[in-house]
Amino acid sequence: DGGITQSPKYLFRKEGQNVTLSCEQNLNHDAMYWYRQDPGQGLRLIYYSQIVNDFQKGDIAEGYSVSREKKESFPLTVTSAQKNPTAFYLCASSIVPGRLTEAFFGQGTRLTVV
Amino acid sequence: KNEVEQSPQNLTAQEGEFITINCSYSVGISALHWLQQHPGGGIVSLFMLSSGKKKHGRLIATINIQEKHSSLHITASHPRDSAVYICAVRSVETSGSRLTFGEGTQLTVNP
Repeated sequence: DGGITQSPKYLFRKEGQNVTLSCEQNLNHDAMYWYRQDPGQGLRLIYYSQIVNDFQKGDIAEGYSVSREKKESFPLTVTSAQKNPTAFYLCASSIVPGRLTEAFFGQGTRLTVV
Repeated sequence: KNEVEQSPQNLTAQEGEFITINCSYSVGISALHWLQQHPGGGIVSLFMLSSGKKKHGRLIATINIQEKHSSLHITASHPRDSAVYICAVRSVETSGSRLTFGEGTQLTVNP
């Protein structure tokens, strides 16, 4: 079955360490996205990629980095520069923009930095 | 003011009740999504609308483009419907398929 896989579901890291969250999709979607969710707030866009080897900053990109070396994969690195990294992170994908499509979401990764 | 506003923020209902969740937005859109987030965090896309009305099982979604408003209705609600329901819009001003999300409505259906 096609879908998006995020791993791990729960992740704990010490303050000051970089951590990479995985997102893989087998839907053949060109566009992929990373969102952050905090209690009481809507999802906020961190980074998005519309095509391999290209990505753009979203609304809250500071302290994060991404890569898009393969169409299927869009890993997110939470760096030590991110001041408040504890959050729920969601990855999503959709077919090439400009067409009416549904967005598919992963199950999310809950990151706790201690 | 957020571009996407949902109401109510929290909703508690008894099993069997008819439920309505509202979403208002302030930008021109090409599509509106209704999403369901389960307690574990996973999100499922329920509907994508650009006009009119869609129905899937006990769920009905409507949109009024002129009034910039959408509603999600759940008929014969059941405890398993308890989740956060999120409205998201794809603005015509933004590039690609970026979505702007509402804060969500926490629905609790009691048996």
